[in-house]
Amino acid sequence: KNQVEQSPQSLIILEGKNCTLQCNYTVSPFSNLRWYKQDTGRGPVSLTIMTFSENTKSNGRYTATLDADTKQSSLHITASQLSDSASYICVVSASPRDYQLIWGAGTKLIIKP
Amino acid sequence: DVKVTQSSRYLVKRTGEKVFLECVQDMDHENMFWYRQDPGLGLRLIYFSYDVKMKEKGDIPEGYSVSREKKERFSLILESASTNQTSMYLCASSRTSGTLYNEQFFGPGTRLTVL
Repeated sequence: KNQVEQSPQSLIILEGKNCTLQCNYTVSPFSNLRWYKQDTGRGPVSLTIMTFSENTKSNGRYTATLDADTKQSSLHITASQLSDSASYICVVSASPRDYQLIWGAGTKLIIKP
Repeated sequence: DVKVTQSSRYLVKRTGEKVFLECVQDMDHENMFWYRQDPGLGLRLIYFSYDVKMKEKGDIPEGYSVSREKKERFSLILESASTNQTSMYLCASSRTSGTLYNEQFFGPGTRLTVL
């Protein structure tokens, strides 16, 4: 069964600190892996998309890594800001088209001043 | 910038009512999607459309129907709303890019409560 599991479910850190969110997947075939940021009460916004040939991708203070062999990805946030408080969702696509996206439940990140 | 708009941010309806949720995108995207999002679960695909008047069932189409009469507009219809359809509904669109992936852009969501 295709699944995406994220850990931790929730995380609280102090402003300015770094953190890493984890994503494990059992999706076959594999096409690409995406990380989205979702603010409370809003729609998800894309942070990164990585294909099987990429093992790291950055978007400002966000860096995603992908290990296709172990089927794991991580999202590292550097020098966190209050505006980073959100849910972060890992999504794996089983095809280049986006009709077969398998969504994780997300990690809820809270940044405290 | 891609803009996806949804007709209502919040909606309260009664059991048995017919409910229409509208989504409009302004980037001439071929593909449009309707998802629902419930606490503790990943987004679940209800229906998608890859062209005008075309529609495909997603993972949870029961109790829903869709309409796409114009390229920019995709409507979700709850024929007879039930309390278990209380949820956040998200619309998304994407371009068929011919590259290794199509990126989806989301609207702000409609929080529907069925009493």
